[in-house]
Amino acid sequence: SQQGEEDPQALSIQEGENATMNCSYKTSINNLQWYRQNSGRGLVHLILIRSNEREKHSGRLRVTLDTSKKSSSLLITASRAADTASYFCATDHDRGSTLGRLYFGRGTQLTVWP
Amino acid sequence: EPEVTQTPSHQVTQMGQEVILRCVPISNHLYFYWYRQILGQKVEFLVSFYNNEISEKSEIFDDQFSVERPDGSNFTLKIRSTKLEDSAMYFCASSRDSYNEQFFGPGTRLTVL
Repeated sequence: SQQGEEDPQALSIQEGENATMNCSYKTSINNLQWYRQNSGRGLVHLILIRSNEREKHSGRLRVTLDTSKKSSSLLITASRAADTASYFCATDHDRGSTLGRLYFGRGTQLTVWP
Repeated sequence: EPEVTQTPSHQVTQMGQEVILRCVPISNHLYFYWYRQILGQKVEFLVSFYNNEISEKSEIFDDQFSVERPDGSNFTLKIRSTKLEDSAMYFCASSRDSYNEQFFGPGTRLTVL
């Protein structure tokens, strides 16, 4: 299937450290999006990176995309306890169409200890 | 900042009953979606909607499900006869077009007893 898979499944770090999460997928894409979800809550959109982009920044977030390896990484710098959440990557599927369906991975559970 | 809203936040129903989940997408968005997340599992696509018709649906979206945009602002998901396995968090999302960010609502937690 197309679904992205995040790695690691769980990550536990101290405040101030950097957190890196990875995502792999199987087929060609138009774009990849990262979302965050606090326990039992909605999905918050973090960043979208297109297939012709290699790196994108937003505040303390840095996302990279390697289409040759079909992988992406999300780096959160100088993490805070409030960053504790699940992080998901979601890909579309480049079928030459414009349908927009997203495929989600299982997520990485990030815990940041004060 | 505009956001997607969903009501109710929590719905409890008996098996076999009909439920309607409501969403108000972001006002200038043209593409609308429903996803669901069973507890502890992945977020799964149900259906996408554009130009007043379904543009894609997943294998989950069987005849028990339907979507509607009854007016210029609401987007609804109806489950005709709920089953126990329909218990999940249901998320509505919208996007300006299918190549851009999808913004999700806070979800409706559906519990089928």
